[in-house]
Amino acid sequence: ETGVTQSPTHLIKTRGQQVTLRCSSQSGHNTVSWYQQALGQGPQFIFQYYREEENGRGNFPPRFSGLQFPNYSSELNVNALELDDSALYLCASSDVGLSEQYFGPGTRLTVT
Amino acid sequence: GDSVTQMEGPVTLSEEACLTINCTYTATGYPSLFWYVQYPGEGLQLLLKATKADDKGSNKGFEATYRKETTSFHLEKGSVQVSDSAVYFCALGGSGGSYIPTFGRGTSLIVHP
Repeated sequence: ETGVTQSPTHLIKTRGQQVTLRCSSQSGHNTVSWYQQALGQGPQFIFQYYREEENGRGNFPPRFSGLQFPNYSSELNVNALELDDSALYLCASSDVGLSEQYFGPGTRLTVT
Repeated sequence: GDSVTQMEGPVTLSEEACLTINCTYTATGYPSLFWYVQYPGEGLQLLLKATKADDKGSNKGFEATYRKETTSFHLEKGSVQVSDSAVYFCALGGSGGSYIPTFGRGTSLIVHP
């Protein structure tokens, strides 16, 4: 059983650019959630996808968008990057929306 | 909305000391409750969970009991090890029809030999 993987590990972008982060869910899991974790803070929920449909969204602007593919892998896209978008982005998969989540190692995004 | 409050850290202990990290929550309905652990440079790992009132979750010597009357889910361990040094997050699953999970800010634990 493979765990949750994320790519890339680290990324440096310039303000105003766009970024795509990728996540492969744990085998057998059909739900993927994305979180933003600022330094010293807990994860903040961005959104969740269940069987390719958005299933819930946190308090993030529309420039944060996502996709889930038929194999349940997922992408997080962020447009018009701002300095405050610098954070660790975590992906988590689960077999149903409210059950325990299995996290990937995260992508560290730095916006300069 | 839902919220989770954890005690401020860091918590600094000597090896073999007892640990309690307090967690209280506010939620509509009856959410599942979780403790996650994050080691430096890694993602979060599920440590234990409880799905209903009076349930006790346990794993690796850690325990937490879902207390509906006090809306608490305190994490306890009788004898900590240096390898337990990490950040611990209390979390609740969505409640009242919401699928939005909520995490606390995390409590850093430092265990000295």
